[in-house]
Amino acid sequence: EDKVVQSPLSLVVHEGDTVTLNCSYEVTNFRSLLWYKQEKKAPTFLFMLTSSGIEKKSGRLSSILDKKELFSILNITATQTGDSAIYLCAVEYRDKIIFGKGTRLHILP
Amino acid sequence: DAGVTQSPTHLIKTRGQHVTLRCSPISGHKSVSWYQQVLGQGPQFIFQYYEKEERGRGNFPDRFSARQFPNYSSELNVNALLLGDSALYLCASSIPVVNEQFFGPGTRLTVL
Repeated sequence: EDKVVQSPLSLVVHEGDTVTLNCSYEVTNFRSLLWYKQEKKAPTFLFMLTSSGIEKKSGRLSSILDKKELFSILNITATQTGDSAIYLCAVEYRDKIIFGKGTRLHILP
Repeated sequence: DAGVTQSPTHLIKTRGQHVTLRCSPISGHKSVSWYQQVLGQGPQFIFQYYEKEERGRGNFPDRFSARQFPNYSSELNVNALLLGDSALYLCASSIPVVNEQFFGPGTRLTVL
């Protein structure tokens, strides 16, 4: 069965900490892995990863994909209260896209 | 620039009724996808349309249908509503197919 599993499901840290969010997947005909941030309603796009070992960075956020071990991580350094959100991982395969349940991240001031 | 728009923002229906949700993609985007998100879960893929043709379909019953118009806007129809259809329905547009999707604000459907 095709699936995407994210861990942890929830995480509470203090401002300034570094966090690592995990996403593992089992799909056939993998095309890409995507990370989104969801605060209230619409998820906002963070990264799209298609190749192993190439880190993508955007400010304090970075992500990398391992296609051999079938997982990706999303790192957030020097966290801020504005980083509090649900982080969603999604995998595109064939003509479908499957999302994980998300990691709910809460940053304490 | 206008992002993806959806209407209505909220909707309350009763069991057995049908509903039509609407989505307008970002200008120039030809692909539209629909997702259902229930509380505590990630979005679940319902349909993907590209150039007015269905390109992908998730594991949803035939009560769910969709179409895409010549201007690339899209409608999602749900017949014979069940309580379990209560969810946030998200629309996303992209160029090309699927990659780097931009989501709309969603329609919150409540079925009583």
